[in-house]
Amino acid sequence: GENVEQHPSTLSVQEGDSAVIKCTYSDSASNYFPWYKQELGKGPQLIIDIRSNVGEKKDQRIAVTLNKTAKHFSLHITETQPEDSAVYFCAASIGSGGGADGLTFGKGTHLIIQP
Amino acid sequence: KAGVTQTPRYLIKTRGQQVTLSCSPISGHRSVSWYQQTPGQGLQFLFEYFSETQRNKGNFPGRFSGRQFSNSRSEMNVSTLELGDSALYLCASSLFSGGNTGELFFGEGSRLTVL
Repeated sequence: GENVEQHPSTLSVQEGDSAVIKCTYSDSASNYFPWYKQELGKGPQLIIDIRSNVGEKKDQRIAVTLNKTAKHFSLHITETQPEDSAVYFCAASIGSGGGADGLTFGKGTHLIIQP
Repeated sequence: KAGVTQTPRYLIKTRGQQVTLSCSPISGHRSVSWYQQTPGQGLQFLFEYFSETQRNKGNFPGRFSGRQFSNSRSEMNVSTLELGDSALYLCASSLFSGGNTGELFFGEGSRLTVL
């Protein structure tokens, strides 16, 4: 089955700096790559996603890049703010059409924004 | 619009007992997925239900089961509890079935402790 590796496990950056989290996946059939943010005591929340027919996607301070050849994708957060502190999960899915596989998640990155 | 509701939020059981967790999806969502979250293994897919049918199942033993009712509410059951079943169980709802069909909306989870 699919395997998703995520690095680093912990990332500490100064407020205002950029943060980058990287993930690799094993199954070349994966075609959907979402990123979820989980704050303490809450469930994960989707922050951005990308499909395999797109190389990059941006939403304000957040961007995701995908390299299908290398089978890796990254989350970029610019101008980090205290509210960006959370655990971030990358995920991958193979599911096609009416297929119903679940998401395979990375182990998570604890992002700490230092004031 | 009400979010995903999971009950109970916290529960303590002893080894050998069984437990039933409940999830009410967002109104109009017909897909409900369940995930187990632990510090060591991260988020792992248990199963997904869509229109009362189990669409897919992750790599968990048969002690883990679920069902979905006609109103899309879902329950999961774990029988013969083991210490390793201690985890946060997250329910997620979505409009469509399949891991790659779009955003999953997670509840806040049910935290199970097995003693």
